[in-house]
Amino acid sequence: DIVMTQSPLSLPVTPGEPASISCRSSQSLLHSNGNNYLDWYLQKPGQSPQLLIYLGSNRASGVPDRFSASGSGTDFTLKISRVEAEDVGVYYCMQPLQNLGVTFGGGTKVEIK
Amino acid sequence: EVQLVESGGGLVPPGGSLRLSCAASGFTFNNYAMTWVRQAPGKGLEWVSTIGGSGGSTDYADSVKGRFTISRDDSNNVLYLQMNSLRAEDTAVYYCAKGIGSTGTLDYWGQGTLVAVSS
Repeated sequence: DIVMTQSPLSLPVTPGEPASISCRSSQSLLHSNGNNYLDWYLQKPGQSPQLLIYLGSNRASGVPDRFSASGSGTDFTLKISRVEAEDVGVYYCMQPLQNLGVTFGGGTKVEIK
Repeated sequence: EVQLVESGGGLVPPGGSLRLSCAASGFTFNNYAMTWVRQAPGKGLEWVSTIGGSGGSTDYADSVKGRFTISRDDSNNVLYLQMNSLRAEDTAVYYCAKGIGSTGTLDYWGQGTLVAVSS
């Protein structure tokens, strides 16, 4: 299975400031079709996970544009341009290809300073 | 509005069995792959199993292969997870989630149902 490694484990943030989370995969997620098969999810406290980003950099429906994602191959980054209080929770990256065994990163807990 | 409602969780002794259900509404159920993901208490997310649209192919995590069976009833828009030979390490909240496209990306999640394996 592909191993997904996130950093940092914990990220204290100040409202209005930017934040960045890294995700690395043990194998390239760049498909021959040009897509990077990497998703980002947010699990807010007491809630189910919600999809933020799919195929590496595409925002899901309803996701604010302060969230952006980039990267290719094995290195990916999720950025929040200006953190808001409602952005707290645990962020997970995930590689979604069943034939490789779907795997999640360990999570990054974002909290307000 | 897409809704996914899990049920069937509970307390079961080691070696026991349980069947989880996920009632889906708000979309054309048979067109989409469906997935079970679990989360042990205080831990991260773990993919469990996926079934393709219209009862297509199934895939399982190595940790549950041979013990769990995913299935779907497209007539009644229900996803199932039959769990046999349960172990303490299967204790978790189990989420069902709807897939999009041809990959395992999950765009809607249920609220989860808790399975506790203990004597």
